[in-house]
Amino acid sequence: KAGVTQTPRYLIKTRGQQVTLSCSPISGHRSVSWYQQTPGQGLQFLFEYFSETQRNKGNFPGRFSGRQFSNSRSEMNVSTLELGDSALYLCASSWADIYEQYFGPGTRLTVT
Amino acid sequence: DAKTTQPNSMESNEEEPVHLPCNHSTISGTDYIHWYRQLPSQGPEYVIHGLTSNVNNRMASLAIAEDRKSSTLILHRATLRDAAVYYCILRDSGGSNYKLTFGKGTLLTVNP
Repeated sequence: KAGVTQTPRYLIKTRGQQVTLSCSPISGHRSVSWYQQTPGQGLQFLFEYFSETQRNKGNFPGRFSGRQFSNSRSEMNVSTLELGDSALYLCASSWADIYEQYFGPGTRLTVT
Repeated sequence: DAKTTQPNSMESNEEEPVHLPCNHSTISGTDYIHWYRQLPSQGPEYVIHGLTSNVNNRMASLAIAEDRKSSTLILHRATLRDAAVYYCILRDSGGSNYKLTFGKGTLLTVNP
């Protein structure tokens, strides 16, 4: 079974631009969560989608948004990028409940 | 979210058992205890979880104190590939808590 895939793996953007990251969950998984990892703040929860609906949202500004498609693939978007948005963005999927999440390798975003 | 406390770092020798402690004195009756680990340059990886009874799987064992205020992740024979940051996380099985709240974790170093 293929694991969680994330594209692109690396991305360089400039301040003020916007970016879209993509996540393909494990086949059959309907829940997709997004996390941000930085050296200073560690791993922080962004949001979680299940059957195309956002069920939970972390404490991030409205510049961070996401969506999920009918095939469970998910995208997250960050608008008006700031230097502090430089981070590893991780996507995780699970079948239905909250017990086990399977993480992708992440997208490394650098904002200059 | 209920909080967990872990040592910042621990060291072990290859092929020896490793006991990684976690304190969670404010755990509630519906909280499951989860362990994830993150190897260098990878996304987090699910290790094990439990509620009240000790649990075993192919990766590790989880020993839960009778009062559930602490738990220990046991790696029976550490290998160099077990060098990672280990996170102890509480997840509420009730309600709509779909996120993982990561603390700083324990950095495990395995010496050859």
